Amino acid sequence: NAGVTQTPKFQVLKTGQSMTLQCAQDMNHEYMSWYRQDPGMGLRLIHYSVGAGITDQGEVPNGYNVSRSTTEDFPLRLLSAAPSQTSVYFCASSYGAEWGGNSPLHFGNGTRLTVT
Amino acid sequence: GNSVTQMEGPVTLSEEAFLTINCTYTATGYPSLFWYVQYPGEGLQLLLKATKADDKGSNKGFEATYRKETTSFHLEKGSVQVSDSAVYFCALRDSSYKLIFGSGTRLLVRP
Repeated sequence: NAGVTQTPKFQVLKTGQSMTLQCAQDMNHEYMSWYRQDPGMGLRLIHYSVGAGITDQGEVPNGYNVSRSTTEDFPLRLLSAAPSQTSVYFCASSYGAEWGGNSPLHFGNGTRLTVT
Repeated sequence: GNSVTQMEGPVTLSEEAFLTINCTYTATGYPSLFWYVQYPGEGLQLLLKATKADDKGSNKGFEATYRKETTSFHLEKGSVQVSDSAVYFCALRDSSYKLIFGSGTRLLVRP
């Protein structure tokens, strides 16, 4: 029962470095998404995907890239890290269009990223 | 655009007290509504959901009713326990499948 797996759990970067946050799910979910969680701001959607080969921007996409080459994986890339990207990042997945809006999201346990 | 507004926390209660966390939403169409809970150091877990007007979602003693006329989805529990201490998020899912969250309400239950 792996569900949604995120790696790493913690990461410290220097300004300007790049890195990839990994997300994998084993539930054959079509829909996958990335959120960032900041104090007092709830969760904000960065990017999402409704299936392999299809991605779209959420509320706060700048500074992040995604790709979806397989159903299982949805990595999030930080191109040039900035202190404003210090946050906790969550990956989440769900069944897709055939469930309409009723399917709940399943979340990973998060990656805590600090950019110095 | 679509949005969710929750009461600000923290909410501090004694064990066995009655809980209400207010949530209102703005959305076009007929979104599905959810409550998620986040325990310290963990990701969010679905607590309950309602998919159409007048539906009542319930789980672990928590309840919420989808009120279209007041665009609300308030979370209630009759008797809270220390183990209910967590952050609670109200959310809506629109026709594009994006899940939009409120800012979260921290609940602290004291013995």
